[in-house]
Amino acid sequence: TQLLEQSPQFLSIQEGENLTVYCNSSSVFSSLQWYRQEPGEGPVLLVTVVTGGEVKKLKRLTFQFGDARKDSSLHITAAQTGDTGLYLCAGAGGSARQLTFGSGTQLTVLP
Amino acid sequence: NAGVTQTPKFRILKIGQSMTLQCTQDMNHNYMYWYRQDPGMGLKLIYYSVGAGITDKGEVPNGYNVSRSTTEDFPLRLELAAPSQTSVYFCASSRGTGKSYEQYFGPGTRLTVT
Repeated sequence: TQLLEQSPQFLSIQEGENLTVYCNSSSVFSSLQWYRQEPGEGPVLLVTVVTGGEVKKLKRLTFQFGDARKDSSLHITAAQTGDTGLYLCAGAGGSARQLTFGSGTQLTVLP
Repeated sequence: NAGVTQTPKFRILKIGQSMTLQCTQDMNHNYMYWYRQDPGMGLKLIYYSVGAGITDKGEVPNGYNVSRSTTEDFPLRLELAAPSQTSVYFCASSRGTGKSYEQYFGPGTRLTVT
C-alpha cells in the first residue's frame, strides 16, 4: 500500500506570512496532484506535477515535485484569508489511475 | 455541465438499515470512484470503475457494494449500516487519458449511522 504523509496537519498563520506544506512518501508516483477543499465541498484540483524536479507556479502558490518523484511541497507566499482551506496531496498510479491521498493540511489564514 | 452530482446531501441511518448513495456525471468520463473522508484521515478509496459493467475494490470496500450499468451513474450501496460507516462520501470521475489523472469530485454526502 502506498502512503503519503502530509505535514503539518494544522497550520494557523497571519495574513501576509509565507508557509510551506510537505507531502512525503517512500513510494514513487507517476505524477502528484494538489487539491484544495472548502468546507461542505469536494476537493478541487490546483496543479499536477509530472516530472521529477518540476516546479510550477500558480500566482502566489509554488509547487515542487522531488527529483525522485516521492515527495512534493506547496509554498504559499503572502498568504491571504481566501487561502484558508484543506490542502490535499495525491499521488497517481495504478491501472485504474487511482489516487492515493495524504491526510491533508488544514490551513487557516487570520486577518 | 453540472459535473458530478451526488444525492442525498445528508442522511442519518439507524444501525442495520441500508441505503444507496447516488452519483451521476455528465462529462462522459469512463473512470469513476467512491471515497470516504474521515476527520484528519484524507480520502480512502472504496470502489472504482473503469467503464460501464466494470467495477473493482479499492482500499476499504467492506460493507459496501457498487454497480455501473451506465457511463453516467455509479451508485454506492450500504448494506447493514454500522457506526463505523459514519463519514463523508465523495464520488469522483476522471477522463482516463493523458498525464493529468485529474479527478472531478461531487459535493459529498454526509452520512451518520446511530
